Amino acid sequence: AQSVTQLDSQVPVFEEAPVELRCNYSSSVSVYLFWYVQYPNQGLQLLLKYLSGSTLVESINGFEAEFNKSQTSFHLRKPSVHISDTAEYFCAVNAGNNRKLIWGLGTSLAVNP
Amino acid sequence: NAGVTQTPKFQVLKTGQSMTLQCAQDMNHNSMYWYRQDPGMGLRLIYYSASEGTTDKGEVPNGYNVSRLNKREFSLRLESAAPSQTSVYFCASSEGGSSTDTQYFGPGTRLTVL
Repeated sequence: AQSVTQLDSQVPVFEEAPVELRCNYSSSVSVYLFWYVQYPNQGLQLLLKYLSGSTLVESINGFEAEFNKSQTSFHLRKPSVHISDTAEYFCAVNAGNNRKLIWGLGTSLAVNP
Repeated sequence: NAGVTQTPKFQVLKTGQSMTLQCAQDMNHNSMYWYRQDPGMGLRLIYYSASEGTTDKGEVPNGYNVSRLNKREFSLRLESAAPSQTSVYFCASSEGGSSTDTQYFGPGTRLTVL
């Protein structure tokens, strides 16, 4: 069975500092990996996803994630965060021919001035 | 293009009351989903509909029913609300047919059952 573990439930960081949000998954078949972001009092929206090809994927707002098959990880990074990045971040995996996503429990990123 | 819309935004019910949460999408998507979000438990799938006319149970279907009224609309019904159903409910849609699809979420309904 597939599963997703987000290793940190809360990550406090100062503005302009780098951040890494960690995500590990388990699956016996090929996976597609997603990061979604939920800003306060809003629904979730896709941040980035890995389907195939280059293991490094980027979002339009400066986040990037690297698919590491040997480590079964898909960590999300940003070199310099802004106050506006404060949000809940969810890692999700879709394994095989299945429309249903398996979700992590989320990481709350709090960017402080 | 409104994306995914949900009504109502907020609702307070008494135990035993019933209600229907409405969801509609204007992206011509085939698949639609209902999730609930609870603190410390992430997102849990209640029901989903792979295409018009089909529905399937997700992870936590007990106490809920759904209707895929047409391609655009997917409603969630609580027949006899319980305090354990206090949650934030999200509807989502995806183009369908592929496990690589992005899911698009509505703004959520905050439900409190007293």
